Amino acid sequence: NAGVTQTPKFQVLKTGQSMTLQCAQDMNHEYMSWYRQDPGMGLRLIHYSVGAGITDQGEVPNGYNVSRSTTEDFPLRLLSAAPSQTSVYFCASSHLGGDRGAYEQYFGPGTRLTVT
Amino acid sequence: GNSVTQMEGPVTLSEEAFLTINCTYTATGYPSLFWYVQYPGEGLQLLLKATKADDKGSNKGFEATYRKETTSFHLEKGSVQVSDSAVYFCALRSYSGAGSYQLTFGKGTKLSVIP
Repeated sequence: NAGVTQTPKFQVLKTGQSMTLQCAQDMNHEYMSWYRQDPGMGLRLIHYSVGAGITDQGEVPNGYNVSRSTTEDFPLRLLSAAPSQTSVYFCASSHLGGDRGAYEQYFGPGTRLTVT
Repeated sequence: GNSVTQMEGPVTLSEEAFLTINCTYTATGYPSLFWYVQYPGEGLQLLLKATKADDKGSNKGFEATYRKETTSFHLEKGSVQVSDSAVYFCALRSYSGAGSYQLTFGKGTKLSVIP
């Protein structure tokens, strides 16, 4: 298993450009999510999905769009990049189910995005 | 809403020293609690977890006990190594209905271990 893969690893954008960060998992996980990591802020949830065709907003969704057409893929779109979106982005996935959400989240290696 | 508070870093220790990183939480219901570790340039990895009160999670010499009465999940290790240098995140996961889970992270504590 490759686990959770993310592309690209690094990206530089100019203000106003759009792009898509790719995320894929091969563990048949129902739940997928995107986080951004900023210094001193920990990880903040952007969007998440509990299955194909179902997405919902997290804590900081503005300026980002997601879709989930397959179980495996969960791309994150930046509609019009802004310097405030400079961050490291992590995709994660896990099984859903009972036991009070005890399933481990598996994280991708991250995409480091700089917006100038 | 849910929240996780962990001690501010950075923390610098000598090799073989005792480590404690404090973590307290606020949550509705009965969350599961986690410690994740992030090594430089990498994503987060699960270090240990506990799913109910008085559970003790352990891995690689690290331990944490789910204390419902004090809403705490402090991370401890008896003798740290240089290879333990990383950022440690405390997190909770709670069921928010309709098959949806919410994972809430603390801000992270950077640990540096010097030989």
